[in-house]
Amino acid sequence: GGIITQTPKFLIGQEGQKLTLKCQQNFNHDTMYWYRQDSGKGLRLIYYSITENDLQKGDLSEGYDASREKKSSFSLTVTSAQKNEMAVFLCASSTGTGVEQYFGPGTRLTVL
Amino acid sequence: LAKTTQPPSMEAYEGQEVNVSCSHTNIATSEYIYWYRQVPHQGPQFIIQGYKDYVVNEVASLFISADRKLSTLSLPWVSLRDAAVYYCIVTLMLSGSFNKLTFGAGTRLAVCP
Repeated sequence: GGIITQTPKFLIGQEGQKLTLKCQQNFNHDTMYWYRQDSGKGLRLIYYSITENDLQKGDLSEGYDASREKKSSFSLTVTSAQKNEMAVFLCASSTGTGVEQYFGPGTRLTVL
Repeated sequence: LAKTTQPPSMEAYEGQEVNVSCSHTNIATSEYIYWYRQVPHQGPQFIIQGYKDYVVNEVASLFISADRKLSTLSLPWVSLRDAAVYYCIVTLMLSGSFNKLTFGAGTRLAVCP
């Protein structure tokens, strides 16, 4: 088995601040994802990466940057935090086809 | 990609069998059906996938209608640990290519003792 680790678990920032969320996986999966989940809602795909140094925009990429430094890690940067993007950010990984994704526990973002 | 429709919420007692329905009237020939669930404070977890007829694993059963427009996730003997949001997802299954999953609002299952 493997595990996905997300840091930090809770992230508090000021409006306009640049904030970075990190994700590590030890499944040796090729593909990694970042999703945003607003309270009581489904997940929206922000970015995904099908291999090291690859980046693909999802449905909600505006206001975010991502970086796939190596196969096991995928970072997400909120370029200018806004109060309306307080949510839980979920990282996931999968084999190349993407249909069975393994999720981390999430990072809860609060913007003051 | 086919759109899915699920009931927003359901309630059951411990020990009951629960059937969560999902309508996907525009499902394409090349699309498969996936079910995930998400317990509070955790990410979603894959449960089961199917294309037609009936699929079973150690966690659940999946019934797919003959025309593939309706699927039903069956959870036998639910416990409090089964309280979660259940997501039905329909997507292409292209071997060797990336396949996007779209998570809707799902069905929130409450389990009473």
